[in-house]
Amino acid sequence: GAVVSQHPSWVICKSGTSVKIECRSLDFQATTMFWYRQFPKQSLMLMATSNEGSKATYEQGVEKDKFLINHASLTLSTLTVTSAHPEDSSFYICSARDGRGQNTEAFFGQGTRLTVV
Amino acid sequence: GDSVTQMEGPVTLSEEAFLTINCTYTATGYPSLFWYVQYPGEGLQLLLKATKADDKGSNKGFEATYRKETTSFHLEKGSVQVSDSAVYFCALNNYGQNFVFGPGTRLSVLP
Repeated sequence: GAVVSQHPSWVICKSGTSVKIECRSLDFQATTMFWYRQFPKQSLMLMATSNEGSKATYEQGVEKDKFLINHASLTLSTLTVTSAHPEDSSFYICSARDGRGQNTEAFFGQGTRLTVV
Repeated sequence: GDSVTQMEGPVTLSEEAFLTINCTYTATGYPSLFWYVQYPGEGLQLLLKATKADDKGSNKGFEATYRKETTSFHLEKGSVQVSDSAVYFCALNNYGQNFVFGPGTRLSVLP
């Protein structure tokens, strides 16, 4: 299957700093990327959907100014957590799909565990 | 909106026991259905999928059948192993939109 690489796999940062998480599709063109957040022992909650070259669409309750998403190319999307606080500590997972054609499958990155201290 | 319900567990079984994790969904149209597995500290891995009614997805001894009449996609395995210990997520995808996940079921298999 297709490969989605997410980097870093874990990061620890100080409160008030910003952290960037990258999501790359290695062998296909990701016309759409999704960013999810997973709290401990809970399911994945969709944060936002981004289409290449367009502004991201955020889910209700997700602060777009805090979670900046950029999807400038067909192989790369980034999520920047700005002015991080301890409550932003979580597991962030991206997924990517090639929206052309009838394929509905999306592929997931390995996730990034963010700890804000 | 679309939703997925699954037994939340935790489920604890002895090695070689039979596993069933129930999953039901609510969706408009004809979604594709998936089971994902998450091992400790890792991301999600696709376990199996089915894209239309009566399809059976299978992988690594796991299987699930897309039952439109009961809107279900129950996961089964005849003989679990310790290495199957993980969290299992049922999910649907409706016409290429975002995935909707169930709450996840934690499975612990004891030797």
